[in-house]
Amino acid sequence: GQNIDQPTEMTATEGAIVQINCTYQTSGFNGLFWYQQHAGEAPTFLSYNVLDGLEEKGRFSSFLSRSKGYSYLLLKELQMKDSASYLCAVSDSNYQLIWGAGTKLIIKP
Amino acid sequence: SAVISQKPSRDICQRGTSLTIQCQVDSQVTMMFWYRQQPGQSLTLIATANQGSEATYESGFVIDKFPISRPNLTFSTLTVSNMSPEDSSIYLCSVGVADYNEQFFGPGTRLTVL
Repeated sequence: GQNIDQPTEMTATEGAIVQINCTYQTSGFNGLFWYQQHAGEAPTFLSYNVLDGLEEKGRFSSFLSRSKGYSYLLLKELQMKDSASYLCAVSDSNYQLIWGAGTKLIIKP
Repeated sequence: SAVISQKPSRDICQRGTSLTIQCQVDSQVTMMFWYRQQPGQSLTLIATANQGSEATYESGFVIDKFPISRPNLTFSTLTVSNMSPEDSSIYLCSVGVADYNEQFFGPGTRLTVL
């Protein structure tokens, strides 16, 4: 079957760095997405990786290793507004997105 | 990118009734998706709606319960039929954008069934 695993919840301190991991097993692979979802709002796109390596976009970076079925989202210089759920999703062989359950990130002052 | 609106934004409905949710996109898109997100949970795909063909439903979802229309490339509706309290959820439409099939989401419809 298809499976996306990510931690349920993480806590970090304002100004610090946090890494949210995602492992996946899917039928085919056409890219991995990270989305941010604030409570009561729709998910918004953060990043896309289809090749191995690190993609950096401001305070956020995303890494992919296809051979290991592994990705992480790295958030630097954490701000209180980064408190949200972070969803990992993989595009499978049919270009359908398979979603993880999401990681709730709590930022403390 | 795409800008997506949904109506209604929220509703409270009685058991046994039906609600139709509308999704409007500001550009023509081929692929539209309907998701359900229950409190504290991730997204569950209900169906894929492509213009000119019948919607494709995921396991556990049937057309009689969730009929979908896709009359053109900018609009779709999802009906939640014969509702029960278990249907209380947020319903989201999204569209697939070319290049690398990134999905953009509408703001969601928060449904409460009493």
